[in-house]
Amino acid sequence: AQSVAQPEDQVNVAEGNPLTVKCTYSVSGNPYLFWYVQYPNRGLQFLLKYITGDNLVKGSYGFEAEFNKSQTSFHLKKPSALVSDSALYFCAVRDVKLDMRFGAGTRLTVKP
Amino acid sequence: EPEVTQTPSHQVTQMGQEVILRCVPISNHLYFYWYRQILGQKVEFLVSFYNNEISEKSEIFDDQFSVERPDGSNFTLKIRSTKLEDSAMYFCATLRQDMNTEAFFGQGTRLTVV
Repeated sequence: AQSVAQPEDQVNVAEGNPLTVKCTYSVSGNPYLFWYVQYPNRGLQFLLKYITGDNLVKGSYGFEAEFNKSQTSFHLKKPSALVSDSALYFCAVRDVKLDMRFGAGTRLTVKP
Repeated sequence: EPEVTQTPSHQVTQMGQEVILRCVPISNHLYFYWYRQILGQKVEFLVSFYNNEISEKSEIFDDQFSVERPDGSNFTLKIRSTKLEDSAMYFCATLRQDMNTEAFFGQGTRLTVV
């Protein structure tokens, strides 16, 4: 069965600094990897995905993520954080059966 | 942009009562999921549904839970006898029949069991 780990409950960065939100996964076969963001009292909003191809994928709002097969990681990054990026971020993995599992979430706080 | 619609947005029910949460998927989507999230914590998988049957379910999805798509449009989650610990946000997600696409989520139903 597939699983996802987000080792940090909380990430704090200063506005303008780069941010990284970590994710590692476990799945049999090729992974389908996703990042979603959740703002307060809202649903999950898709940010980006890795299916195949380039290991560096770009998504919404300037976010990107790097797929690393040897480390089974899919860390979310942004070169310059904004206060408005503060939210809950979820990494997810999907297998060939199309069932998706989420990590526990990482709360990102960007301080001015 | 197409969206997944969930109703109601908030449901308050007494312990032991039955509740039905409704989801209207995006029209050409064939895979459906229910997830729950307790107070901004982790998003927990409940069940997946394809071709009018359950594809997979978690240990949370016990005999008190059921899903169906009675009229070919709405996708419902029923909790037969609610418990206090069922209080959570319930999210519906739907997916096109395409391995390369992402799932779309509804805005959720906040269930409060009192």
